[in-house]
Amino acid sequence: NAGVTQTPKFQVLKTGQSMTLQCAQDMNHNSMYWYRQDPGMGLRLIYYSASEGTTDKGEVPNGYNVSRLNKREFSLRLESAAPSQTSVYFCASSVEGMTIQYFGAGTRLSVL
Amino acid sequence: QQQVKQSPQSLIVQKGGISIINCAYENTAFDYFPWYQQFPGKGPALLIAIRPDVSEKKEGRFTISFNKSAKQFSLHIMDSQPGDSATYFCAARSYSGAGSYQLTFGKGTKLSVIP
Repeated sequence: NAGVTQTPKFQVLKTGQSMTLQCAQDMNHNSMYWYRQDPGMGLRLIYYSASEGTTDKGEVPNGYNVSRLNKREFSLRLESAAPSQTSVYFCASSVEGMTIQYFGAGTRLSVL
Repeated sequence: QQQVKQSPQSLIVQKGGISIINCAYENTAFDYFPWYQQFPGKGPALLIAIRPDVSEKKEGRFTISFNKSAKQFSLHIMDSQPGDSATYFCAARSYSGAGSYQLTFGKGTKLSVIP
């Protein structure tokens, strides 16, 4: 049972490049989330998907887009990467009611 | 606007001592308060959680104390061990409609337990 799997684990981009961060969960969870973690800032919600077919903005959505491809997969896209998007990105999933969120191991992204 | 304030930012405790991390919130609509533990290079993992109708919850060496009137809650780690060295995040859950919930996280406390 893999839980929440994120790919890639590390990525270096140049300013203006685009990329998609992938996330998949095998726990049959309805809800999925994308966070970014910056030093001293905690975890901030970028986007979430309460169920397949729905997505909503979180606290810091600017510069990002998401796709809930199916119940298992939730991707995060940076259309034109900026240095301010250098961060560690975490995907998470939860059952309905969200008493527990399960996190992936993160993607460490540097934008030069 | 930060809705969950966590302190201290960092904490150094001797082995066997008590580690205390505090959080305060403003939004009275929060209805569930988990604590997450994160080791370097890993994602956060749920440690312990409490509902606002309970004043204290204990699991092993970890205890949450909750003060609803003061809108504060804290994590106590008894008999702290070097293996407890990690970053701890408090969080608060809110309902965002259509059956979905969000967590608002504090900024984290880096705990170092020295032998």
